[in-house]
Amino acid sequence: DTGVSQDPRHKITKRGQNVTFRCDPISEHNRLYWYRQTLGQGPEFLTYFQNEAQLEKSRLLSDRFSAERPKGSFSTLEIQRTEQGDSAMYLCASRAGDRNYGYTFGSGTRLTVV
Amino acid sequence: GENVEQHPSTLSVQEGDSAVIKCTYSDSASNYFPWYKQELGKGPQLIIDIRSNVGEKKDQRIAVTLNKTAKHFSLHITETQPEDSAVYFCAASIPFGNEKLTFGTGTRLTIIP
Repeated sequence: DTGVSQDPRHKITKRGQNVTFRCDPISEHNRLYWYRQTLGQGPEFLTYFQNEAQLEKSRLLSDRFSAERPKGSFSTLEIQRTEQGDSAMYLCASRAGDRNYGYTFGSGTRLTVV
Repeated sequence: GENVEQHPSTLSVQEGDSAVIKCTYSDSASNYFPWYKQELGKGPQLIIDIRSNVGEKKDQRIAVTLNKTAKHFSLHITETQPEDSAVYFCAASIPFGNEKLTFGTGTRLTIIP
């Protein structure tokens, strides 16, 4: 595996439903980030994991959002009781701990709340 | 926190001409400045990056320059081709804590054949 994989690519859900997204980072990368991107904007930081520890959460991440990274491998991002304002592209990125390496982004999950 | 501004928001150039996109950052502690290309429906793809210990970096038709004093950095694409059409984002990162990327608002580059 040479890239960051995200699943699903697209998700349409009704308002109020729960959704979960998965990210599989590059295997040797111990740092994992979730970003959210709305139309016409740059990605905005949501949360950060170093191995299995969630070390920072943005103020953008309301109580309805939760993220996990069990065993420091893949990560999941869950949104409970979705709202129309949650519609966005959710991007996952990973990088190695060595600062000489840049971030690799996945293709994202496009969420549409109807 | 860090704030990154990016200009212009849209840019159209004739095929073969050069394109320049400029970004400014607010936090003098930032030391890593990547540029990403994003095509429709895809995630951002790293095209070039620069660290604060160098002033310029070049990779074939793409170059990035950094002015630490003025806190701005620029992307230069020469001999533009239709496949260069995309949205380009600059970003900055501070070298401690989570080292997250703070992105600019993007530039939609259109290459006119």
